[in-house]
Amino acid sequence: GQQVMQIPQYQHVQEGEDFTTYCNSSTTLSNIQWYKQRPGGHPVFLIQLVKSGEVKKQKRLTFQFGEAKKNSSLHITATQTTDVGTYFCRVRRDSNYQLIWGAGTKLIIKP
Amino acid sequence: GAGVSQTPSNKVTEKGKYVELRCDPISGHTALYWYRQSLGQGPEFLIYFQGTGAADDSGLPNDRFFAVRPEGSVSTLKIQRTERGDSAVYLCASSRDREDEQYFGPGTRLTVT
Repeated sequence: GQQVMQIPQYQHVQEGEDFTTYCNSSTTLSNIQWYKQRPGGHPVFLIQLVKSGEVKKQKRLTFQFGEAKKNSSLHITATQTTDVGTYFCRVRRDSNYQLIWGAGTKLIIKP
Repeated sequence: GAGVSQTPSNKVTEKGKYVELRCDPISGHTALYWYRQSLGQGPEFLIYFQGTGAADDSGLPNDRFFAVRPEGSVSTLKIQRTERGDSAVYLCASSRDREDEQYFGPGTRLTVT
């Protein structure tokens, strides 16, 4: 069954609005990585989170790892057209070290 | 330096045929991953190599799929008796070690007719 839920599947925003995607697991995670995939491209690494409650920032992007290490979020402030793409989380489960990718959240900028 | 390369970029084959997909990782990266990705989906893990050995092949869907990495560098994904359901983009990624960031190749788009 689905062990990692990434929501929402799509998010339509006006340029300048904020965007958030969530990655939720039913079990504790040892780490989580976030990737961005542009249309027609391949996934590109953004960040890795390891510690409980960790928050990391990259310019307009803020990444957070939950206190229980079961969920994470990626927040983009004031979206730009260059942010368009699909954002994936990749998690490693604590229990069996299994590697699982979320289904992704597609960021769409309204024309 | 050079990134991960994959060949061919596109492969069209008939149902029932055998195909080989090649991945050339970044030099010095010991970890190598194969994924496949269907439209609108996230990468689906297939197999992970640490050096020459397959450390985790739990994602291979059935025994028609096999992968090798004989010298700990280039890897080949082999698919026997291809089926239309095998059509997807096959992605390869490498990393310095298991926990490090993964660098993806451009993928091979496989179409089985």
